[in-house]
Amino acid sequence: GAVVSQHPSRVICKSGTSVKIECRSLDFQATTMFWYRQFPKQSLMLMATSNEGSKATYEQGVEKDKFLINHASLTLSTLTVTSAHPEDSSFYICSARDRRGSSYEQYFGPGTRLTVT
Amino acid sequence: GQNIDQPTEMTATEGAIVQINCTYQTSGFNGLFWYQQHAGEAPTFLSYNVLDGLEEKGRFSSFLSRSKGYSYLLLKELQMKDSASYLCAVRDSSGGSYIPTFGRGTSLIVHP
Repeated sequence: GAVVSQHPSRVICKSGTSVKIECRSLDFQATTMFWYRQFPKQSLMLMATSNEGSKATYEQGVEKDKFLINHASLTLSTLTVTSAHPEDSSFYICSARDRRGSSYEQYFGPGTRLTVT
Repeated sequence: GQNIDQPTEMTATEGAIVQINCTYQTSGFNGLFWYQQHAGEAPTFLSYNVLDGLEEKGRFSSFLSRSKGYSYLLLKELQMKDSASYLCAVRDSSGGSYIPTFGRGTSLIVHP
């Protein structure tokens, strides 16, 4: 089956620093990847849609200069949280669509737990 | 956008049957998903309904009524490992994005 990995799985950083999270599709090519944020006992909130070779599309209310997304290849998208603050502490999950698959199939990564101190 | 409503929490007994409901409002319905999410893990796909009716897959079944804006996930022969959050997600074709919007999830607790 399609596998999506994320790295790191957990990260603790100090306020004001930047953190990069990687999302990789291991056995398929993903033209589109999605980045979600999930607070405790809350739903997954879509942050942005990342398309290979083009700029990401951000959801309303998500600061594109704070959450930098790069989708440089068909198997890798990165999310960089710049100048992190404690309120950015959350569970970040990526997902990817297999470009050969049906349009509804979306494979999720295992998530990254970010804690900003 | 969509309004997706599902119960916050449910409890059930091992071996029993539980039905988790989801209601939604959307202008351009294009499919409904159910995902299972264990604490601290990513969601895993359970089902996808785009037409009315019941889809059965092992112990799990999912039902959709588009006219009523309603779906349910039915879990049979409950096992302790079924304790998890169950997310209903609706895809909307308006705007062309076809990206699902997730409900808050229903936390299911299965006890012996």
